[in-house]
Amino acid sequence: DTGVSQDPRHKITKRGQNVTFRCDPISEHNRLYWYRQTLGQGPEFLTYFQNEAQLEKSRLLSDRFSAERPKGSFSTLEIQRTEQGDSAMYLCASSPGQGRETQYFGPGTRLLVL
Amino acid sequence: DQQVKQNSPSLSVQEGRISILNCDYTNSMFDYFLWYKKYPAEGPTFLISISSIKDKNEDGRFTVFLNKSAKHLSLHIVPSQPGDSAVYFCAASSRGMDSSYKLIFGSGTRLLVRP
Repeated sequence: DTGVSQDPRHKITKRGQNVTFRCDPISEHNRLYWYRQTLGQGPEFLTYFQNEAQLEKSRLLSDRFSAERPKGSFSTLEIQRTEQGDSAMYLCASSPGQGRETQYFGPGTRLLVL
Repeated sequence: DQQVKQNSPSLSVQEGRISILNCDYTNSMFDYFLWYKKYPAEGPTFLISISSIKDKNEDGRFTVFLNKSAKHLSLHIVPSQPGDSAVYFCAASSRGMDSSYKLIFGSGTRLLVRP
C-alpha cells in the first residue's frame, strides 16, 4: 500500500503531557499538509510543507505546536503541554507538487486529552 | 467567517434514487473544488474535483456541478447505493503564498442511503 500513513492511530494522554505524531506521505509527493478535525466540523488547515520547508502556518497553530519535515520525507507534529481542547483527529495529506491538485489523506491520529 | 458552507447536515435517500449534496462558498478567489467522502475513524477519501474553468465534471456515478455566479456547487450520485452512506465534505482551494493550495472544508453532510 503506497497511501499516506500516520502513526499512532490513537493516542490518549493526560493534560500537560507532550505528544508527537508521525506522517509518511505518498512516495515522491513534495507537498505535505496537516489538518485538524473536531467533532461535527470539517478538517481545518494547520500547516504546509513544500519538501522540507514549512511555508505556511495557520493561526490555529499555537506556540505549543511544532511541525517538522526533515529531508522532505516524513513529517512530525508535536504538541507540548497538551490541553483538553487539543482533543481532535489530526490528519495528514500529501500531493505531488504540480500546481493545483488533489490532496490524499491518511487515516488520521485521534488524540484524546484527559 | 465560514468560507465554505454545507447547510444540510444530513440527507436520507432511497437506494437507486439520486442523492444531491450542496455546497456554497463565499471566496471568489477559490478556483478548485473537491468532494471527499469520510467513514468514521478514517481519513477523507477523494471522490471528484472540478476546476473553475468548467461547470461540470463526471466520474461514473458521481457528477459535480459548479455555478460560479451563484458560488454554488453540488454533487450528484446516481444511482445511490447503501455503500455510499458516509459523511461528504466539500472543499475549496486557491493558490496561496508559496504555492500552498490548502483546502478549506465545509462542515459535511451525512448521507444515508436506505436499502
